[in-house]
Amino acid sequence: GAVVSQHPSWVICKSGTSVKIECRSLDFQATTMFWYRQFPKQSLMLMATSNEGSKATYEQGVEKDKFLINHASLTLSTLTVTSAHPEDSSFYICSARTPGTSASYEQYFGPGTRLTVT
Amino acid sequence: EDQVTQSPEALRLQEGESSSLNCSYTVSGLRGLFWYRQDPGKGPEFLFTLYSAGEEKEKERLKATLTKKESFLHITAPKPEDSATYLCAVQEGKAAGNKLTFGGGTRVLVKP
Repeated sequence: GAVVSQHPSWVICKSGTSVKIECRSLDFQATTMFWYRQFPKQSLMLMATSNEGSKATYEQGVEKDKFLINHASLTLSTLTVTSAHPEDSSFYICSARTPGTSASYEQYFGPGTRLTVT
Repeated sequence: EDQVTQSPEALRLQEGESSSLNCSYTVSGLRGLFWYRQDPGKGPEFLFTLYSAGEEKEKERLKATLTKKESFLHITAPKPEDSATYLCAVQEGKAAGNKLTFGGGTRVLVKP
């Protein structure tokens, strides 16, 4: 299957600082990438949809000024958590959609990034 | 609003004891149903995509089936390495951008 990487795999930052997480599709071009967050023992919650060359589409309740998403190329999307607070501590996972029609595609996930804000 | 419900929440099996996981959904028009496996501290691993009622797909000890209202993930003669959380997700027909809505997952523990 297709491979999606994330960097870093874990990060600890101080409250008030910003953190950038990278998501890369390694062996395919992804016009669409997605960002999720997952709290312990809970399922994935979609934060935003990232389309290459255009603005991200945020889910209801997700602050677009706090979670900045950039999809500058067909293989890279970044999520920047600005002015992080302890409540932003979570497991952030990206996914990338493989090329194809919407009737036949697969979505592959990265390994996740554990963010801890102290 | 789309609803995806997985049951049971947790499942404890003896090695070799076959069982099934359920994923019930209500969407305005199903475009695709996805099954993933997730190990602790890792991202979900893609297993299957099902697109229409009656479709079945298999991979090793796993078999996924789909009806108009639910999907089943059958685990045949499981081994301890099948222990994981299994997630299902649906893509709705009217969604822009092909976003997925996930169920709560089923945590499977297979004891040797």
